[in-house]
This record gives sequence, structure tokens and C-alpha cells, in this order.
Amino acid sequence: AQSVAQPEDQVNVAEGNPLTVKCTYSVSGNPYLFWYVQYPNRGLQFLLKYITGDNLVKGSYGFEAEFNKSQTSFHLKKPSALVSDSALYFCAVRDNNNDMRFGAGTRLTVKP
Amino acid sequence: EPEVTQTPSHQVTQMGQEVILRCVPISNHLYFYWYRQILGQKVEFLVSFYNNEISEKSEIFDDQFSVERPDGSNFTLKIRSTKLEDSAMYFCASSEALRQTQYFGPGTRLLVL
Repeated sequence: AQSVAQPEDQVNVAEGNPLTVKCTYSVSGNPYLFWYVQYPNRGLQFLLKYITGDNLVKGSYGFEAEFNKSQTSFHLKKPSALVSDSALYFCAVRDNNNDMRFGAGTRLTVKP
Repeated sequence: EPEVTQTPSHQVTQMGQEVILRCVPISNHLYFYWYRQILGQKVEFLVSFYNNEISEKSEIFDDQFSVERPDGSNFTLKIRSTKLEDSAMYFCASSEALRQTQYFGPGTRLLVL
């Protein structure tokens, strides 16, 4: 069965600094990995995904994520954080089934 | 840009009552899903639906739950006899094909009293 872990409940960064939100996964087959963002009182918005190909995936709003098979990680990154990036970020994994398993979420706070 | 919509945004009900949560998936999508998020907890998969039948369901999706696509646009989740622990945010999602990106609606916040 697939699972995903987000080891940090909260990440705080200063505006303009790089940010990283961590995610590690466990699947029995080939991983399909996703990042979603949830703003207050809003649904989940798709940011990016890794299915196959380049290990560095670029997504919406300047975010990118690096797939590392040896470390079973899929960390979300952005070179320069904005205050408006403050939100709840969820990593999700899917294996050969179609249901997704979400991490517990990481709350990102970007301070001016 | 097309998006998934859900109604109502909020629903308050008494324990034991039936509720129906409604979703309109993106129009060319063929796969539909329900997830829930209990306050402060992770998003949990409930069920997936394709070709007018359930394709997968989790252990949460017991006999109190049912899903239906009553017409060409709506996708509903029914909870037959609500319990206090059903209080959560319920998200609908849809995808164009199997294993494609799932796009989520804004959610329905259900409160069972």
C-alpha cells in the first residue's frame, strides 16, 4: 500500500528566501507523485506532478519539485518565496491504483 | 478555466439525518472521486467512480455512504444516517482519464450536531 509522509507540520521562511517543503513516499510500484496547495476556506489546487521523465518537475506559481528515487523523496521548492505563498501544502502519492494518499500537510508561512 | 464545483458550501444537519452532497465535475472528465478532511487532519480517500459504478473505495466508505451520477453532469455523495464523526470537509474531484491529475472542488463543510 502506498503512503506519504510530510515530516514538518510547519515551515517558516522570510519573503525572498528559498523554501523547501519535504515529502517522502512509500509505494509498491512506480510512484505517481503530486503536490497540492490549500488556501484558507478553499479546495485543493493542483501544483505539479511527477509521473516519469526528468526528476525536476516545474509547476504552477514558480514551484518545482525534485524526485529522488534513492531517497524516496519528492520535496517541493521555490527559489524565492512570496507572502502570498502562505498556505497548507499537501504531498500525495498514487501507485497503480487510482486512489491517492495524502500527507498530513505542511503549513507554510512566509513573513515579509 | 473549467473547474469542479460543489454545493452546498456549508451544511449543518442533525445526527441520524440523511445528507446529499453535490458536485459538478469538469465536463470532459470521466473519473470522479470523493475525499474528506476532518478538521486538522489529513485528506482521506473515500471512493472513485467510473462508468456509472464504484471502481475503488476505502474502508471509510461503509454502507452509510453511497454515490450516484443521476444525470450527465452531477455526481453526488449520500450519507444515509449521519453520525457526529461524519463532520468534515468533503471534497469532490475529477480526472480526465485513469491515473491523470485529479482536480478538486472547493469542498462542502458538513457539521453534524
